Amino acid sequence: DVVMTQSPLSLPVTLGQPASISCRSSQSLVYSDGDTYLNWFQQRPGQSPRRLIYKVSNRDSGVPDRFSGSGSGTDFTLKISRVEAEDVGVYYCMQGTHWPRSFGQGTKLEIK
Amino acid sequence: QVQLQQWGAGLLKPSETLSLTCAVYGGSFSGYYWTWIRQPPGKGLEWIGEVTHSGNTNYNPSLKSRVTISVDTSKNQFSLKLSSATAADTAVYYCARDAYWGQGTLVTVSS
Repeated sequence: DVVMTQSPLSLPVTLGQPASISCRSSQSLVYSDGDTYLNWFQQRPGQSPRRLIYKVSNRDSGVPDRFSGSGSGTDFTLKISRVEAEDVGVYYCMQGTHWPRSFGQGTKLEIK
Repeated sequence: QVQLQQWGAGLLKPSETLSLTCAVYGGSFSGYYWTWIRQPPGKGLEWIGEVTHSGNTNYNPSLKSRVTISVDTSKNQFSLKLSSATAADTAVYYCARDAYWGQGTLVTVSS
């Protein structure tokens, strides 16, 4: 199984400052079709997860452009250019290349 | 706009079968993987398995012996059954397709 490892697990950030979350996979996430199926989800307290990014760097509809995804192979990053209060929650990476699909442990973003 | 609405029993006794259904409104039912994911209280997300509109399934090996995911294309619904439930299966269960997620159902297994 592919293990997804996120860091840090806790991320205190000052409002207006940038934030960055790393996600590393135990195997390459490049699929046979050439695409890399790495997603990022945000889960606000008490809510269902919401997908922010798909295939490494594509923002979902309605996602603010302060969120961006990058990376390749086994090493991926979610960046928030300027953290806002509504960004508080837990962020998960998830790989959709291999079965079983798997999630990272989650990174809890809080306002410092 | 795609919406997923899920329902099912929220309280089970140990050894009973967990049963949840997810209805899909809007969008096409074919051409996608329809997924179940769970989240134990205070913990992270665990992928349970998925089904296509034609009934092809993939399961998490950790649950495979107890899980059945099925689809009813006439109703645009898919379902999860998890047999021999224990307290370790207590979690919020979500149905999902890509960016679209259900509201979640808390299932508690307790005697």
